[in-house]
Amino acid sequence: EAGVTQFPSHSVIEKGQTVTLRCDPISGHDNLYWYRRVMGKEIKFLLHFVKESKQDESGMPNNRFLAERTGGTYSTLKVQPAELEDSGVYFCASSQDYISEQYFGPGTRLTVT
Amino acid sequence: EDQVTQSPEALRLQEGESSSLNCSYTVSGLRGLFWYRQDPGKGPEFLFTLYSAGEEKEKERLKATLTKKESFLHITAPKPEDSATYLCAGGFRELIFGTGTLLAVQP
Repeated sequence: EAGVTQFPSHSVIEKGQTVTLRCDPISGHDNLYWYRRVMGKEIKFLLHFVKESKQDESGMPNNRFLAERTGGTYSTLKVQPAELEDSGVYFCASSQDYISEQYFGPGTRLTVT
Repeated sequence: EDQVTQSPEALRLQEGESSSLNCSYTVSGLRGLFWYRQDPGKGPEFLFTLYSAGEEKEKERLKATLTKKESFLHITAPKPEDSATYLCAGGFRELIFGTGTLLAVQP
């Protein structure tokens, strides 16, 4: 069974540019989560989808971040315009239901210069 | 405020030297306590879920236990391949993570 995949693995952009991260969850997992770890800090929650609906986006830092999940399958996280403090590793995770364990992707390392 | 705290931050063991990692938590509405392993440059890899105090789970050299306030990850006779960062997390839907324990097992 294929795991959670994320693209790209690395992205280096300049301040003010736009970047879109993609996550493909495990097939059949209705729950999809985005998390982020900035340098030296713990992994922190950004938002949670159930199928195509946003269940909880309380962790989104500001309105420069936009997440979508088309048709309840893959998800994208867009940062526009990017700021220096957005640098970090963005993880996607999926689970069958909100009680079950979450399986994480390899992450996308974002560097904003 | 919901919080997960792990100790120690780093641990160096000799191969075969057993030890324990600690995770203390104050999370309202906790539905489960999760342990993950993370290798450099990779995403967290699921190890265990514990749902109630007194529960224990084992996998190879690892055993996780849970009380009402903390969880322990016991590592018995570790090998160099057990070297990784071990993450503890809890929550209701979204996971609240600790900062992890970096374990190094020397041959």
